Amino acid sequence: ELKVEQNPLFLSMQEGKNYTIYCNYSTTSDRLYWYRQDPGKSLESLFVLLSNGAVKQEGRLMASLDTKARLSTLHITAAVHDLSATYFCAVGSGGSNYKLTFGKGTLLTVNP
Amino acid sequence: DTEVTQTPKHLVMGMTNKKSLKCEQHMGHRAMYWYKQKAKKPPELMFVYSYEKLSINESVPSRFSPECPNSSLLNLHLHALQPEDSALYLCASSQDFPQHFGDGTRLSIL
Repeated sequence: ELKVEQNPLFLSMQEGKNYTIYCNYSTTSDRLYWYRQDPGKSLESLFVLLSNGAVKQEGRLMASLDTKARLSTLHITAAVHDLSATYFCAVGSGGSNYKLTFGKGTLLTVNP
Repeated sequence: DTEVTQTPKHLVMGMTNKKSLKCEQHMGHRAMYWYKQKAKKPPELMFVYSYEKLSINESVPSRFSPECPNSSLLNLHLHALQPEDSALYLCASSQDFPQHFGDGTRLSIL
């Protein structure tokens, strides 16, 4: 059974600081996803990581994937309040990677 | 605004009612999904349709019945639900990746 572990589950940061969210998964997969969810809202796709060593950046967020270590990271640079949200990593499995198994999510709060 | 449209946005129903949730996408995606999300929890996959055929059923109770009438439409028929079924029900679609999510239907069972 595929297991996806995220940490930390709760993260309170000051604006301007840097931090990293970690996502470990238990079985081989070639697709790792990061989603953002604002309270009461849907999930927004942030990144899709397809191969070992993949790195993607969008604004203050950068995601990377190490398939050998079964580890993905989401790095936040110079946090701003607008980044406050819950961030989920998800791992694709099954034929055509239809099945997504989500981590528990990281509730990020960025304080002024 | 999302490209996956779900209706209704909110639904309150009694345990003896029958209701349906609706999901539409016009992106030509081949796969459509139903997820259940409880408060402060990650989404849990319920069903996957691929090319209008049910390909994954995650051992969901029979009181939830999915239907895919055509490539753009996905329904979830509800009957005799329990209070623990109260949750946000999310629909998603994908061609390959990623999955694009709708805004969800917030369901409350009285």
